[in-house]
Amino acid sequence: EDQVTQSPEALRLQEGESSSLNCSYTVSGLRGLFWYRQDPGKGPEFLFTLYSAGEEKEKERLKATLTKKESFLHITAPKPEDSATYLCAVHHATGNQFYFGTGTSLTVIP
Amino acid sequence: NAGVMQNPRHLVRRRGQEARLRCSPMKGHSHVYWYRQLPEEGLKFMVYLQKENIIDESGMPKERFSAEFPKEGPSILRIQQVVRGDSAAYFCASSPTATLGYGYTFGSGTRLTVV
Repeated sequence: EDQVTQSPEALRLQEGESSSLNCSYTVSGLRGLFWYRQDPGKGPEFLFTLYSAGEEKEKERLKATLTKKESFLHITAPKPEDSATYLCAVHHATGNQFYFGTGTSLTVIP
Repeated sequence: NAGVMQNPRHLVRRRGQEARLRCSPMKGHSHVYWYRQLPEEGLKFMVYLQKENIIDESGMPKERFSAEFPKEGPSILRIQQVVRGDSAAYFCASSPTATLGYGYTFGSGTRLTVV
């Protein structure tokens, strides 16, 4: 069965303290791996798509990387406004759905 | 340019009542997806629709749940005879094509509470 596991479940960082979030997946035939940000009471907001091992994408303080079995979301010098739940999802070669992990809840303390 | 609009934002139903959740996709988007987010669980796929067609309903419970996306108007997710276990956040997403390279655009969700 396809699975997406995110760790840690929750992460508290001081402002400026860089860290990484992990998403490991087991899926037969990866079509794409997606990162989303979700704020309380809102829908997920698209951040990145990664297609193949070795690929990297960057946006402001966020950088996403992909290997054959996992993806990392690196947060450099985070700010309080980066506090949110970060979701990872995979889309495999057949089928129409994304498989989502349960997310990492990030809190950045000023 | 409005995003994906879902209403109502919050919906309270008594056990046994019907719940109707509406989703208007982004302008130019003809593909609609419904996901359910239970407490402490990840988003789970329910159904994928295009105008007037259900493409994939493999994630939809076999009973009490139905979805439609008519030629005119919003997509509707209907839950008949709701039970407490249906309490969740229901998210709709849309895309202009079936190619998902840039991900979906999600709405803000409908939070259903069954009392």
